[in-house]
Amino acid sequence: NAGVMQNPRHLVRRRGQEARLRCSPMKGHSHVYWYRQLPEEGLKFMVYLQKENIIDESGMPKERFSAEFPKEGPSILRIQQVVRGDSAAYFCASSPGGLENIQYFGAGTRLSVL
Amino acid sequence: QKEVEQDPGPLSVPEGAIVSLNCTYSNSAFQYFMWYRQYSRKGPELLMYTYSSGNKEDGRFTAQVDKSSKYISLFIRDSQPSDSATYLCAMLGSNYKLTFGKGTLLTVNP
Repeated sequence: NAGVMQNPRHLVRRRGQEARLRCSPMKGHSHVYWYRQLPEEGLKFMVYLQKENIIDESGMPKERFSAEFPKEGPSILRIQQVVRGDSAAYFCASSPGGLENIQYFGAGTRLSVL
Repeated sequence: QKEVEQDPGPLSVPEGAIVSLNCTYSNSAFQYFMWYRQYSRKGPELLMYTYSSGNKEDGRFTAQVDKSSKYISLFIRDSQPSDSATYLCAMLGSNYKLTFGKGTLLTVNP
């Protein structure tokens, strides 16, 4: 009965490279959310996806960031041409949907941009 | 005014103490109120969630919501060193976006 699985746990990239973060939701959950936690700041919503659909990406930076949740496979958060300011912990959460849309989090991916 | 305010602490207590953690909020649309616990370099772990005003108890933990005052609390009885972590309050409105406080760092000293 695995929880939300994220990989990699740690990712190091040089400026200008691409970062790909993966998230597999809990079994039975079809809703995925990405949050970012910057040092000394709280968790901030980035994007909400259901299978093959982006529901709300209002928290995503307008450029270089994209997310997908394909019919098969994990959700992917992609950051192109990373900059030092992208260094943060990125957390994925999933929920079953419905009235009580309670979200459960993965362990996160810590991105370091050199 | 921020939507959710949480005193960042740090809060240091002796083992066995009663701990009180608090958040205030400004958005009346929030319907669900959560407490997450986050150990260093780990993901947030859901402790409790409540919907209505009043108290909800789970073992040593009690969550309290006062919607009229826009104030929520988490009480930890008989605190243990293993309770040392950052505690995050989070709120959920009619949409799906969790709005978090910045978290309170708690240390329980043996």
